Amino acid sequence: RKEVEQDPGPFNVPEGATVAFNCTYSNSASQSFFWYRQDCRKEPKLLMSVYSSGNEDGRFTAQLNRASQYISLLIRDSKLSDSATYLCVVNIKNTDKLIFGTGTRLQVFP
Amino acid sequence: ETGVTQTPRHLVMGMTNKKSLKCEQHLGHNAMYWYKQSAKKPLELMFVYNFKEQTENNSVPSRFSPECPNSSHLFLHLHTLQPEDSALYLCASTRENTIYFGEGSWLTVV
Repeated sequence: RKEVEQDPGPFNVPEGATVAFNCTYSNSASQSFFWYRQDCRKEPKLLMSVYSSGNEDGRFTAQLNRASQYISLLIRDSKLSDSATYLCVVNIKNTDKLIFGTGTRLQVFP
Repeated sequence: ETGVTQTPRHLVMGMTNKKSLKCEQHLGHNAMYWYKQSAKKPLELMFVYNFKEQTENNSVPSRFSPECPNSSHLFLHLHTLQPEDSALYLCASTRENTIYFGEGSWLTVV
């Protein structure tokens, strides 16, 4: 089983739609969680950290469910510029290891 | 600009060549990473250095040899690579488990 799993997509949604991605992790020692965004042929960039109580940043909402070992990302009112690959990242407690999922590709169309 | 700089940005090398990738950051981060990103695969953690000491080696073949002379610089020495080693090699550094990537070095082995 992969340490961090994501549906690769693509998710094709119209502008203005709401879309949600899930990510599951297998290591119960995972302690920190992040969502990164990667544009084609570019490096990944931090989108947001994921906090235990859930957190929101504008149109983006991240949630963590430790019991079921998954995190989610919700994007409201999708923009064309949201088209990218969204990577789930997990840090294993007491290590320097940051494990990435394969990413979920989002394509927003007009 | 994340403050993590990689050179060269593009490299083509033969299977018998020896080359090196360089990464530097002057952000005061203590941990530095090498990741490999191949097409349609998740980012693969290769090496981690924390305060110049290697803390992770993810079963990387010996044809990849990392070097970390100080907390600001990280090298990846390449020798007798194979065509399947062609990929994007990303350097990163971390502060409080948030990872910041360089723009990557595109490597093609011919």
